[in-house]
Amino acid sequence: GIQVEQSPPDLILQEGANSTLRCNFSDSVNNLQWFHQNPWGQLINLFYIPSGTKQNGRLSATTVATERYSLLYISSSQTTDSGVYFCAGGGDYKLSFGAGTTVTVRA
Amino acid sequence: ETGVTQSPTHLIKTRGQQVTLRCSSQSGHNTVSWYQQALGQGPQFIFQYYREEENGRGNFPPRFSGLQFPNYSSELNVNALELDDSALYLCASSSASGGHEQYFGPGTRLTVT
Repeated sequence: GIQVEQSPPDLILQEGANSTLRCNFSDSVNNLQWFHQNPWGQLINLFYIPSGTKQNGRLSATTVATERYSLLYISSSQTTDSGVYFCAGGGDYKLSFGAGTTVTVRA
Repeated sequence: ETGVTQSPTHLIKTRGQQVTLRCSSQSGHNTVSWYQQALGQGPQFIFQYYREEENGRGNFPPRFSGLQFPNYSSELNVNALELDDSALYLCASSSASGGHEQYFGPGTRLTVT
């Protein structure tokens, strides 16, 4: 199956800082998603981005499908951005998840 | 539009027992996938159901089984529970018309003692 590597595993930010999270895939994927897991465990959809660039407020994402990686950018971070971020990729039915990046934003 | 719902929220079972978890898909979605998330790890794919048939399966033993109903809701059944089955079980729904983007429910936290 597809292996997904996320980096860094942990990230500590001062409020207002910018950051980049990375996701590498061992094989091509035609479904790629970024999630934020809230403290109660629910995965919140951030981006569906098999290729290209998308932006949503202070968050943006870029996927370079030919090189099998995706980046998630957080700008002007806020304490509410804290939590675990997952990327996941795969085919039509199965998503393979990375181990996550735990982001802590300090006031 | 109703999102993905799961029941129950929490569950405590004893080793060797059987458990059934339930999931209602988001309106307009016809595919349901189940994932297991152990503490501190990313979710692991269990299986997917489409048109009431299993459409793909991860590396889980046969004691993990499922059903999908005509209204696209789904059940996950686990027999002969083991301590390692303690985890957060997540259900996701999707549709081909949506590019297979998956939307997740709040999860069921299962504790096996």
